[in-house]
Amino acid sequence: RKEVEQDPGPFNVPEGATVAFNCTYSNSASQSFFWYRQDCRKEPKLLMSVYSSGNEDGRFTAQLNRASQYISLLIRDSKLSDSATYLCVVNQGTYKYIFGTGTRLKVLA
Amino acid sequence: EAGVTQSPTHLIKTRGQQATLRCSPISGHTSVYWYQQALGLGLQFLLWYDEGEERNRGNFPPRFSGRQFPNYSSELNVNALELEDSALYLCASSSPGQVTGYEQYFGPGTRLTVT
Repeated sequence: RKEVEQDPGPFNVPEGATVAFNCTYSNSASQSFFWYRQDCRKEPKLLMSVYSSGNEDGRFTAQLNRASQYISLLIRDSKLSDSATYLCVVNQGTYKYIFGTGTRLKVLA
Repeated sequence: EAGVTQSPTHLIKTRGQQATLRCSPISGHTSVYWYQQALGLGLQFLLWYDEGEERNRGNFPPRFSGRQFPNYSSELNVNALELEDSALYLCASSSPGQVTGYEQYFGPGTRLTVT
């Protein structure tokens, strides 16, 4: 089993739709979690950290479920500009970050 | 505030040569990370430097090496280049001296092509 797993997609959704991605992790001792966005042939950009209580930033909501060992990202009112690959990142402590391979989102006009 | 910078943007080398890639972290950040992203693949962790020391290393052969300078900038060296080393090499930095919980900020990358 991979340490961090994501559905590669693509998720094709119409503009205005709500879409959610999950990311599962295998190490129950994982300590912190992040979502990054990566556009084609560009560097990843931090989207948001994921806190235990869940957090929201505009149209984006991140949740952490430690019992089931997954994090989620919800995007409301999808925009064409949201089309990108979304990377889940898990920090396991001891100088170890694990990146998922990403979920590709295409928002269609 | 300036972000993470990397140089060169593109690098073309032939098989067997050596490549040197450079990274300057965000001011105040002391941790620097190196990743390899081959075309169509995810980020593969290479190296992690903090306060001038190598803290962790990914599953890469010893011909991938690096160092961090007193000003926290970093250099990645790849010796005896192979065709499969062609990839985007990304550098990231984060806040000082933390083992967990700090966001990484990425530079634009160096695209290495080995012919």
